[in-house]
Amino acid sequence: QVQVKQWGAGLLKPSETLSLTCAVYGGSFSAYYWSWIRQPPGKGLEWIGEINHSGSTNYNPSLKSRLTISVDTSKNQFSLKLSSVTAADTAVYYCARGLRPPDGVDVWGQGTTVTVSS
Amino acid sequence: DIQLTQSPSFLSASVGDRVTITCRASQGISSYLAWYQQKPGKAPKLMIYSASTLQSGVPLRFRGSGSGTEFTLTISSLQPEDFATYYCQQLKSYPFTFGPGTKVDIK
Repeated sequence: QVQVKQWGAGLLKPSETLSLTCAVYGGSFSAYYWSWIRQPPGKGLEWIGEINHSGSTNYNPSLKSRLTISVDTSKNQFSLKLSSVTAADTAVYYCARGLRPPDGVDVWGQGTTVTVSS
Repeated sequence: DIQLTQSPSFLSASVGDRVTITCRASQGISSYLAWYQQKPGKAPKLMIYSASTLQSGVPLRFRGSGSGTEFTLTISSLQPEDFATYYCQQLKSYPFTFGPGTKVDIK
């Protein structure tokens, strides 16, 4: 049974860098894309980006200038960094496993609530 | 970006009702569409992918259909555990956008 567990800082000040990490337990790490998705309070889902085991990334253009997604295959982990955060980045952030061919994301982390406030 | 709209935004239904949710794409996406169910405080759950393929473990009362720009999610007989918000997502081109969601509430 594949599990995805995530962690990272939950309270940030404006202009700081959001940093989250996700670890994958069980199953193949190399056969999938690994995604980040966020959900502002009371709102819908926003796809942030994804990475595969070789480090190939796809980013949402709306976040690309501030976004870095990286992978550590030795630990079956992948990470999200979002710089210069503002209140608009306040959301629940999820990591998840992306199916290939693109068929959605089928295994989700538990979510991390990130609040940006001065 | 490909925009997705969902209708209705909200629907109120009773246990046993047949429910249909529509997702429309701003351009053709073939069958690159997934449906998710989300309950309050929980991560979304993949229900259907490739527009009509039921994810493993999802009850047969859920059915997805459509291709191109118009898609539907149908629940044939609504059960108490089906009350949730449903999102569609297109996976035809980056960024993989989501629809705004349809909340299914108890009448």
